[in-house]
Amino acid sequence: QSALTQPASVSGSPGQSITISCTGISSDVGNLVSWYQQHPGKAPKLMIYEGSKRPSGVSNRFYVSKSGNTASLTISGLQAEDEADYYCCSYAGNSDVVFGGGTKLTVL
Amino acid sequence: QLQLQESGPGLVKPSETLSLTCTVSGGSISSSGYYWGWIRQPPGKGLEWIGSIYYSGGTYYNASLKSRVTISVDTSKNQFSLKLSSVTAADTALYYCASHPVRLYYFDYWGQGTLVTVSS
Repeated sequence: QSALTQPASVSGSPGQSITISCTGISSDVGNLVSWYQQHPGKAPKLMIYEGSKRPSGVSNRFYVSKSGNTASLTISGLQAEDEADYYCCSYAGNSDVVFGGGTKLTVL
Repeated sequence: QLQLQESGPGLVKPSETLSLTCTVSGGSISSSGYYWGWIRQPPGKGLEWIGSIYYSGGTYYNASLKSRVTISVDTSKNQFSLKLSSVTAADTALYYCASHPVRLYYFDYWGQGTLVTVSS
């Protein structure tokens, strides 16, 4: 079971857009990719599920695209409250679930 | 709104067994639509899925931990539990319980997490 690959860190200024990539997603898992936001000292929060769906209450500034074995989370109109760690997660087949290593987002 | 709460010892000695329980409120653990899982996070590191269980007792585990993990469910108490045997310092982590819909591997409800330190 290999962790999905994410950049260790990304940064952006308020109002800008940033993208966090998640590489290593199996081509046969369909839309079984999710994304989580984790603020320091808090539990992860589901931000995206089934590839591109947003739970109630999650801003539409968060959206996902996919190309080949890479999914990318884009946050548009960056806000200070977006500063957090972000994790992707995917079903890896064979009843296995794998997380990415996490990306620290800094809002400058 | 589902709520999950982890409980258990915060300190475990090396080679012993780590035992944690997750209590579910605001809904029934016997809901046919959900699996109940454990995820851990070593200090300063990323998330690692440990395993999941269905209310009827069906389980699946992370292959790298499978030989040491047992997850069980007690529907009468609306709880599910984690046992991790032969622990080492590498098992020191924040342990979360979480729920995910059947055949949809996203974790929508999380506990607050409980820190378990492995040390003599």
